[in-house]
Amino acid sequence: IAGITQAPTSQILAAGRRMTLRCTQDMRHNAMYWYRQDLGLGLRLIHYSNTAGTTGKGEVPDGYSVSRANTDDFPLTLASAVPSQTSVYFCASRAGHNYGYTFGSGTRLTVV
Amino acid sequence: AQSVTQPDIHITVSEGASLELRCNYSYGATPYLFWYVQSPGQGLQLLLKYFSGDTLVQGIKGFEAEFKRSQSSFNLRKPSVHWSDAAEYFCAVGAVTGNQFYFGTGTSLTVIP
Repeated sequence: IAGITQAPTSQILAAGRRMTLRCTQDMRHNAMYWYRQDLGLGLRLIHYSNTAGTTGKGEVPDGYSVSRANTDDFPLTLASAVPSQTSVYFCASRAGHNYGYTFGSGTRLTVV
Repeated sequence: AQSVTQPDIHITVSEGASLELRCNYSYGATPYLFWYVQSPGQGLQLLLKYFSGDTLVQGIKGFEAEFKRSQSSFNLRKPSVHWSDAAEYFCAVGAVTGNQFYFGTGTSLTVIP
């Protein structure tokens, strides 16, 4: 089934550790996104990529980095995790301007 | 500033009753509007979207939404709610060429038998 695969599903991480959240899509969508979801705050954009080789900052980019080496993969890296990065992270992609997002199932990250 | 307001944090309805979830937006350009549904532990699924044209749009699972530019609203409706509709609902606004959708904080729907 075409879609977005995120890994891991959940993770408990010690503060200060480095962590990469993986996101892979098989729909050949050019645009990909990383959002974090926090209770009472909805979803907030961390980083985006309009096409392979390009990335941009969203609303809450601090402490996160991304890369887009190819169309299918869009990993999100926390260089040195802090407790405030405890959240549910969603990767999404978009087929084009006239389409909504397709979301992955999310990664629940707890930083202790 | 761009923003989306969903005034109702939580709504409870009886199965078979009608439903309306409110969404108000603030956006500086012509908006693209979306409604998503999220079941517990799952990602978000697109219910419907409005880009242009007819202001009443139909979506999946029997949902519809009406765009009212004068009221900056995009309320979601369903004539008869089913128990399986219990979930979190998110309204979102974006631009045609924009890189970001802005999401509301969500409305949690409980359906009682």
